[in-house]
Amino acid sequence: GAGVSQSPSNKVTEKGKDVELRCDPISGHTALYWYRQSLGQGLEFLIYFQGNSAPDKSGLPSDRFSAERTGGSVSTLTIQRTQQEDSAVYLCASRPTGISTDTQYFGPGTRLTVL
Amino acid sequence: GNSVTQMEGPVTLSEEAFLTINCTYTATGYPSLFWYVQYPGEGLQLLLKATKADDKGSNKGFEATYRKETTSFHLEKGSVQVSDSAVYFCALTPIKAAGNKLTFGGGTRVLVKP
Repeated sequence: GAGVSQSPSNKVTEKGKDVELRCDPISGHTALYWYRQSLGQGLEFLIYFQGNSAPDKSGLPSDRFSAERTGGSVSTLTIQRTQQEDSAVYLCASRPTGISTDTQYFGPGTRLTVL
Repeated sequence: GNSVTQMEGPVTLSEEAFLTINCTYTATGYPSLFWYVQYPGEGLQLLLKATKADDKGSNKGFEATYRKETTSFHLEKGSVQVSDSAVYFCALTPIKAAGNKLTFGGGTRVLVKP
């Protein structure tokens, strides 16, 4: 597609439930990133994919968070047993391959509210 | 580790005023520097970038110069418009590092009044 897309745009869930957030990167972009934007913490890196593997998971806040990427394209971020502090906007970004191509392109985000 | 510090907002200006948003960074090596903008209700968009010392990034009347000696990348615009009201984020990525993940500043909200 023309840009990075994310779904759903909004998700309201109850504490303790699991949620899945989806990201469709720009076609051909091999690098994919998840970030979280919250009031208290600003914009934080969560995880980076190169192809289907995740060489950097250092930003995942707990083992309740996981992500996968299949076919070098779509990625899913899963949060298990959601807590109220997980409420945030989850942003996905993609980047073409190559060291000189350092610009990341962001999707519109998924706003997660945990009640 | 890497970090970015930018001035806290909100910054409130009148139309046609001069805007400066300060940004300083800490990083090993020579990172690439970015300004991203988030307009109300929209996603993050790249505004401009610079990849080496003394480079000037520019777009939509905004400019920022990569100053290695002061580790700064201040954003400026000579005459703001109401449509420039947004949240501005300074960010860096350690070029040539695996992943090139972005480290962001806290964001500066700018409100331009007519």
